[in-house]
Amino acid sequence: IQMTQSPSSLSASVGDRVTITCQASQDIRNRLNWYQHKPGKAPRYLIYDASTLETGVPSRFSGSGSGTDFTFTISSLQPEDVATYYCQQFDYVPRTFGQGTKVEIK
Amino acid sequence: EVQLVESGGGLVKPGGSLRLSCAASGFTFSGHVMNWVRQAPGRGLEWVSSISGDSTYIYYIDSVKGRFTISRDNARSSVYLQMNDLRAEDTAMYYCASTVTWGQGTLVTVSS
Repeated sequence: IQMTQSPSSLSASVGDRVTITCQASQDIRNRLNWYQHKPGKAPRYLIYDASTLETGVPSRFSGSGSGTDFTFTISSLQPEDVATYYCQQFDYVPRTFGQGTKVEIK
Repeated sequence: EVQLVESGGGLVKPGGSLRLSCAASGFTFSGHVMNWVRQAPGRGLEWVSSISGDSTYIYYIDSVKGRFTISRDNARSSVYLQMNDLRAEDTAMYYCASTVTWGQGTLVTVSS
C-alpha cells in the first residue's frame, strides 16, 4: 500500500486553517492514524481510526475520510503546532507512513 | 504515567548485531500490539515490525526479514528487536510504539 501525503511542506500564519491530505493506493477503510513529530521528541498520536481525536489532543486538530482519501486539518494554527505530520495506514502490512508534511509559521 | 523507554542502540560495524529493548509502564502491556518504527537521518518515519499481544502475529518490512527478530516478554512489560547482519541503510533512530504512546527513541549507527 502506498500512502501519498501532500503537501510535503507548508508555511502558514498563526490562526490560519491548515489542511493536509493523504491518499492510499487501495481501500484501507478507516484504518488510518495521524501523528505529530517534533525534532528530538517522541512522535505523538493525534488521531486514530481516521477521525477520532486522541485523549488530550486540542480540538483544533481533526481528521476525516475513509477508503482511499483522507484529510487532516488544523483549524487555527498555533506556534506550538510547528512540527512534521504523518499519516499511517494500519489495514495492511507493511504499515506504511505517508512522506510527512513539515508545517512552519510564516 | 504511560511511558515507553528504549535502550540498546549504539555504533556497530556492518555485519554486526544489536539488541534493542523497550520497557513499558503505565498501561496494560499484554493487551497492546507493539511496533518498532525507524527514522533514518533526513528521512521520514518507516514502520519496521509489529508483534501482537500474545506474540501470535508478527510482521516485518521486507528489507529486514531474515535479519531482524521482534519478541516480547509480557511478564517484564518489554519488547525487543534483535538486529543481525546490520547494514549502513539500517542507520536510524529506532522508536518503540504502542497504540497509546511512543518512546523517545534509541539511535543505531552502522558504520565501519
